[in-house]
Amino acid sequence: QVQLQESGPGLVKPSETLSLTCAVSGYSISSGYYWGWIRQPPGKGLEWIGSISHSGSTSYNPSLKSRVTMSLDTSKNQFSLKLSSATAADTAVYYCARSLWSYGGWFDPWGQGTLVTVSS
Amino acid sequence: DIVMTQSPDSLAVSLGERATINCKSSQSVLYNSNNKNYLAWYRQKPGQPPKLLIHWASTRESGVPDRFSGSGSGTDFTLTISSLQAEDVAVYYCQQYYGTPPYTFGQGTKLEIK
Repeated sequence: QVQLQESGPGLVKPSETLSLTCAVSGYSISSGYYWGWIRQPPGKGLEWIGSISHSGSTSYNPSLKSRVTMSLDTSKNQFSLKLSSATAADTAVYYCARSLWSYGGWFDPWGQGTLVTVSS
Repeated sequence: DIVMTQSPDSLAVSLGERATINCKSSQSVLYNSNNKNYLAWYRQKPGQPPKLLIHWASTRESGVPDRFSGSGSGTDFTLTISSLQAEDVAVYYCQQYYGTPPYTFGQGTKLEIK
């Protein structure tokens, strides 16, 4: 059974870089599929941030592309998100998930999510 | 960007009755070469991550009760719950995964018990 778990600071200061990691168990991320990040501001809807393939190729939401970097760490079976120049608008629950069809395909399963607040 | 618009924003249905949620895309998500609609449906219960229900617009995931069904093609899609159960209270989202980024979600439909 594939499981994903997000981790990282819950509080980030404005203008700093938001960094999160998603640990995957039950499946080797280097074996296949795509691995994505989706966020949800409090009380709002879902926004796809970007995805990374099992080989390390990436695809990002154009609205965030200039600030987003994703990477794989196959030795730890995890992947990461960095979002630079954070603002209050980046406050959200951040989910990691597996995409079974290309960078933006249907996502299953999802991690439980982690709330990141951008505030001084 | 492909804009996904769901209707209604909220819906109250009696237990055992049918619930219907609509999703409209600003452009077709039907890929002619394979005749597949690049659309998924999710259910999100309070305090939980979204759970995948359906992909390819009508393919139900393993373990999802058969009271859930997806239909539609091109730009207009529907999620139907044939007989509402108490555990179906949630927010439902559609998502398109057609073509180039960004891959977008609808704004969500909140389903409650009447």
